[in-house]
Amino acid sequence: QSGLTQPASVSGSPGQSITISCSGTSSDVGGYDYVCWYQQHPGKAPKLMVYDVSNRPSGVSNRFSGSKSGNTASLTISGLQAEDEADYYCSSYTGSTTLVVFGGGTKLTVL
Amino acid sequence: QVQLVESGGGVVQPGRSLRLSCAASGFTFSRHGMHWVRQAPGKGLEWVAFISYGGFDKDYADSVKGRFNISRDNSKNMLYLQVTSLRAEDTAVYYCVEGTISGRFDNWGQGTLVTVSS
Repeated sequence: QSGLTQPASVSGSPGQSITISCSGTSSDVGGYDYVCWYQQHPGKAPKLMVYDVSNRPSGVSNRFSGSKSGNTASLTISGLQAEDEADYYCSSYTGSTTLVVFGGGTKLTVL
Repeated sequence: QVQLVESGGGVVQPGRSLRLSCAASGFTFSRHGMHWVRQAPGKGLEWVAFISYGGFDKDYADSVKGRFNISRDNSKNMLYLQVTSLRAEDTAVYYCVEGTISGRFDNWGQGTLVTVSS
């Protein structure tokens, strides 16, 4: 089971919107609505930002939104803020013995 | 609030073994599936293993299958990962994670670092 494909880096200015893509296959992203997105600041544990493609856990800002089309999922962050600068990882359920695969991570820089 | 505290990491020689532990509190541990997820230094996240709430169902990443064993003691609110036949590529921070079988990782510990080196 190969990992998911994310861009290595994205950037945006405060107030702008950015979108991070996450490409998989019909065996993972395209096959299940179990895509999640995690935010990780340096030296910290990851934090769940979006689950089941487009749902936000309690306490997560509505500036974060998720979607999926075919084998590609996306995370959009609107109204960029300095504190959004972090690494972002997507993940997907696979239904195989390797239950979950992650993307390689995307470094978001707020200019 | 949910707390997951890992321990047991350290420096170990290739081929040796280690047992990682995770103490859980702030939620009904016996009702939740648990995972281990690792992150090599400067690298991305890798799912390692899952155990169901009762401990009967276990799944492993292909990279650790046959070498790692996940277990739990619901009477003590403890999660474990027995890691054997360690390799240099097992060097990583190991996170204890409360989550669903579908891969929703709700709560993470702070991680424990395992360094495999001679």
